[in-house]
Amino acid sequence: DSGVTQTPKHLITATGQRVTLRCSPRSGDLSVYWYQQSLDQGLQFLIQYYNGEERAKGNILERFSAQQFPDLHSELNLSSLELGDSALYFCASSVDLGPIKDTQYFGPGTRLTVL
Amino acid sequence: AQKVTQAQTEISVVEKEDVTLDCVYETRDTTYYLFWYKQPPSGELVFLIRRNSFDEQNEISGRYSWNFQKSTSSFNFTITASQVVDSAVYFCALSEGGSEKLVFGKGTKLTVNP
Repeated sequence: DSGVTQTPKHLITATGQRVTLRCSPRSGDLSVYWYQQSLDQGLQFLIQYYNGEERAKGNILERFSAQQFPDLHSELNLSSLELGDSALYFCASSVDLGPIKDTQYFGPGTRLTVL
Repeated sequence: AQKVTQAQTEISVVEKEDVTLDCVYETRDTTYYLFWYKQPPSGELVFLIRRNSFDEQNEISGRYSWNFQKSTSSFNFTITASQVVDSAVYFCALSEGGSEKLVFGKGTKLTVNP
């Protein structure tokens, strides 16, 4: 158990809908990362938040957005869902206190199925 | 640009065989970090090891060992005396010093048969 929690574990929804995925980082971790794992694209970085602020952005669609709250949990919002958004969405967290890069520990993932 | 190549898509071995998973990376940075993660059939991503570019020392952890060679831009992973529980997809990942993200290879699916 990495200490990173994600809810829900599974999500089934229809095209055009909007969903919210939730992530709680390990205790003491300030950074939260979101990744998408699909058969086509593999594991892709979406976005990172550090202590409530967006720090880095990857291949995240405009229909997707994220935020990190004062208690450091994060939410990934996916809207106007398309069939191609079906994937496993991972959250990861790391401490990021200094210049040395820390290890990212991953949650169990949320499997999103868009019908 | 950062890139990770895991040329072996799938490997199948019989229990107790040794197996090496290859990882070749590309980066222009002199400071970077390399990782291996395991994704068992249950789906979670489990951290195995992290190496920075200034530490070429090989590492052994039980039946697992890693060989980091900057001269060939490789960070290979060997499982000695494989077991059925080692069956999983293994990902190699790279993070450049100035970048926050992990760039993953496509993964190698290892099946260990009894």
